[in-house]
Amino acid sequence: DTAVSQTPKYLVTQMGNDKSIKCEQNLGHDTMYWYKQDSKKFLKIMFSYNNKELIINETVPNRFSPKSPDKAHLNLHINSLELGDSAVYFCASSRDSEAFFGQGTRLTVV
Amino acid sequence: AQSVTQPDIHITVSEGASLELRCNYSYGATPYLFWYVQSPGQGLQLLLKYFSGDTLVQGIKGFEAEFKRSQSSFNLRKPSVHWSDAAEYFCAVGAPLMDSNYQLIWGAGTKLIIKP
Repeated sequence: DTAVSQTPKYLVTQMGNDKSIKCEQNLGHDTMYWYKQDSKKFLKIMFSYNNKELIINETVPNRFSPKSPDKAHLNLHINSLELGDSAVYFCASSRDSEAFFGQGTRLTVV
Repeated sequence: AQSVTQPDIHITVSEGASLELRCNYSYGATPYLFWYVQSPGQGLQLLLKYFSGDTLVQGIKGFEAEFKRSQSSFNLRKPSVHWSDAAEYFCAVGAPLMDSNYQLIWGAGTKLIIKP
């Protein structure tokens, strides 16, 4: 069973579009995260949710919005996509700070 | 400010040779320390972690790391690397937030290249 799964794995879209990436974890963790990994492999935390409350927002553009319908899901919505949004986006969940990651979604904006 | 430094952007070693990847952190208290590996096109996988106790910790795939408080370091080692170890390696510090939650602070990563 996949612990943290995110879909889609690849996403190619045009500038200006709105897209969503889904994430689900079956580990029973209370905290979930979204990270952005740029072309230089640098990991930047975007959001984390704990018990459906946002606890970190690293000043990402408000075009990005996390949505958590329940403790097991944290989806990422992106409006008005820009070229600079192209990156790999990772979902993760954690307990006691040990994080488990999804396989990543490679977003390409053209 | 809390930070994690991985001084080496990339390291090249021969297959069968020993490996040490450096990690230094800046943190006011004893941190939770982690090493993750990211194979090409894959997500991040936990190699090992240090929370407390024995400062030499063993991980998966034959890796180990040693926490040295005096040097603020948590270097990753492996006695003999295999070609399949070629990947990106990330060191991270777990810093507590309010309400028993934690934030992971990441190093920039070290790319390991294996020479045949």
